[in-house]
Amino acid sequence: AQSVAQPEDQVNVAEGNPLTVKCTYSVSGNPYLFWYVQYPNRGLQFLLKYITGDNLVKGSYGFEAEFNKSQTSFHLKKPSALVSDSALYFCAVRGANMEYGNKLVFGAGTILRVKS
Amino acid sequence: EPEVTQTPSHQVTQMGQEVILRCVPISNHLYFYWYRQILGQKVEFLVSFYNNEISEKSEIFDDQFSVERPDGSNFTLKIRSTKLEDSAMYFCASSGTGVQFGKTQYFGPGTRLLVL
Repeated sequence: AQSVAQPEDQVNVAEGNPLTVKCTYSVSGNPYLFWYVQYPNRGLQFLLKYITGDNLVKGSYGFEAEFNKSQTSFHLKKPSALVSDSALYFCAVRGANMEYGNKLVFGAGTILRVKS
Repeated sequence: EPEVTQTPSHQVTQMGQEVILRCVPISNHLYFYWYRQILGQKVEFLVSFYNNEISEKSEIFDDQFSVERPDGSNFTLKIRSTKLEDSAMYFCASSGTGVQFGKTQYFGPGTRLLVL
């Protein structure tokens, strides 16, 4: 079975400081990994993904994430946080094997609060 | 930029009533999905749809639920006899094809369903 863990319910960071939102996953075989962001009363917006290739992937709004196969992690990072980054962040996984189908399995979400 | 749209944004219904949630996926996408998010809980997969048939469904997607693509643009989720526990935010998503780009699911803004 596939699963995702986001160990922090909330991350607080000062504006201008680097931020990290953690994600670990469990899947048999290779994973497809995704980060989505949800602003209040809005849908899920795609940020970035890892399918194959470089372990460091860059996405929207200056975010990046590093795939670490040995640690089964896909942490979201940004070098300099903005107040406007404050939102709910979801990590999601999909197994690459056909047996998993196309469904995404989501983590519980991490609230990011950036204070000025 | 193309996006997934959903109507209505909010729906209030009485227990036992039928509801139909509507989605317009991104126009050249071939895979369609419904997910739901009960307040305070994870985003959960309900069903995926490809080539005019269900390709995968979760245990949540019981006989009370059905999906349909009635024309070339709309994708609907019907709940035949709503229960209190069906109250949730329902997200529609779509994805295209291709090795890299086909893996990303793009989500609509959601329909918040409240069953009284």
